[in-house]
Amino acid sequence: GAVVSQHPSWVICKSGTSVKIECRSLDFQATTMFWYRQFPKQSLMLMATSNEGSKATYEQGVEKDKFLINHASLTLSTLTVTSAHPEDSSFYICSATHGTSGTYEQYFGPGTRLTVT
Amino acid sequence: GENVEQHPSTLSVQEGDSAVIKCTYSDSASNYFPWYKQELGKRPQLIIDIRSNVGEKKDQRIAVTLNKTAKHFSLHITETQPEDSAVYFCAATPSGRLIFGQGTELSVKP
Repeated sequence: GAVVSQHPSWVICKSGTSVKIECRSLDFQATTMFWYRQFPKQSLMLMATSNEGSKATYEQGVEKDKFLINHASLTLSTLTVTSAHPEDSSFYICSATHGTSGTYEQYFGPGTRLTVT
Repeated sequence: GENVEQHPSTLSVQEGDSAVIKCTYSDSASNYFPWYKQELGKRPQLIIDIRSNVGEKKDQRIAVTLNKTAKHFSLHITETQPEDSAVYFCAATPSGRLIFGQGTELSVKP
């Protein structure tokens, strides 16, 4: 149980275009989902916290107009990287939890590797 | 602040030896402290976690200790095996969010 999927697993896009990444909880309802970014040989950096039906809460320094998050249902959250640039190339990982905050066990998706050319 | 500091950044041990990774956190409101193992290009895997009402927890070769007064917690791996080689992350939960330490690259040499 507690399986989280992400799609796509990898994507290459041209600079200036937008790309959408999906995060799904397959066998449970995720009250809260989180989005992380991980650069090579670095830690996971929390980008935003997403609760179903409400606006996402972004971490300091993360541009909410550039990284659009939608959590339309209890099983799906999407991250759209708008006007992507090469510096946005990274490994994006989502996680989901039954609970209402990060103090509950989080189940991670397999990640999406984004390359912006 | 809401920092989580993790040391060392790299750790090399001989197979069969023990490995210890230490983390400190700044927000005393944190009450959940998970440890993750991440292999290259893969998702983090939860290996053990501890809550603030417990001082120590053990699961086979892995143990975690927590000192809430000092705001530090440690991961102990005994009888290390080559398959334990990976990057390990600690995390704390200030304001209900999961904040990760910088990671420790553990190498277990046969």
